[in-house]
Amino acid sequence: GEDVEQSLFLSVREGDSSVINCTYTDSSSTYLYWYKQEPGAGLQLLTYIFSNMDMKQDQRLTVLLNKKDKHLSLRIADTQTGDSAIYFCAESHFTGGGNKLTFGTGTQLKVEL
Amino acid sequence: GAVVSQHPSRVICKSGTSVKIECRSLDFQATTMFWYRQFPKQSLMLMATSNEGSKATYEQGVEKDKFLINHASLTLSTLTVTSAHPEDSSFYICSATTGGSSPLHFGNGTRLTVT
Repeated sequence: GEDVEQSLFLSVREGDSSVINCTYTDSSSTYLYWYKQEPGAGLQLLTYIFSNMDMKQDQRLTVLLNKKDKHLSLRIADTQTGDSAIYFCAESHFTGGGNKLTFGTGTQLKVEL
Repeated sequence: GAVVSQHPSRVICKSGTSVKIECRSLDFQATTMFWYRQFPKQSLMLMATSNEGSKATYEQGVEKDKFLINHASLTLSTLTVTSAHPEDSSFYICSATTGGSSPLHFGNGTRLTVT
């Protein structure tokens, strides 16, 4: 089955860049996503990238995809304390029921002053 | 746009009772809704996929008679936890999509505590 792995924890200082990494195994992934989860809340879609793209930038967020190595990363520029949360990467592939996601284990980002 | 509302956000019930959780897409029609369960400090575990007007597809190991899913309209899916037990205590999250390659949008989750 599909497997998505992330490092569990990342700590950065405010103003620095954060890079959260993700690896996946499903070579038929169509889209890859980054979601943010704050304590006690649901998941907020941050950005997503189509599997035939290498990079996508959206304001402070940059997504890099290395499809050959099945490696996805999320870079947050000028990280702020409000960015502290758990970040999940997810890969999707189509099933009969639609766009099914497999989530990574989540990376807890802690932003220190 | 793409707002998903989940209700209630928090519920406490006694063991043996049933609890219904609602998931609504407020500004789009959701042909497919997904229900997830999340244990503390863990990732989301897909429980079932729900398509409007048809029976839900449950993941392996998820009891369909215990977790009843109804997707009666393009904007509403419900998850009923029947005869709840303390081990059912968890964070349940729904997501909705218009289908195809559209991304999933998530509700804010429901914290269920069974005493």
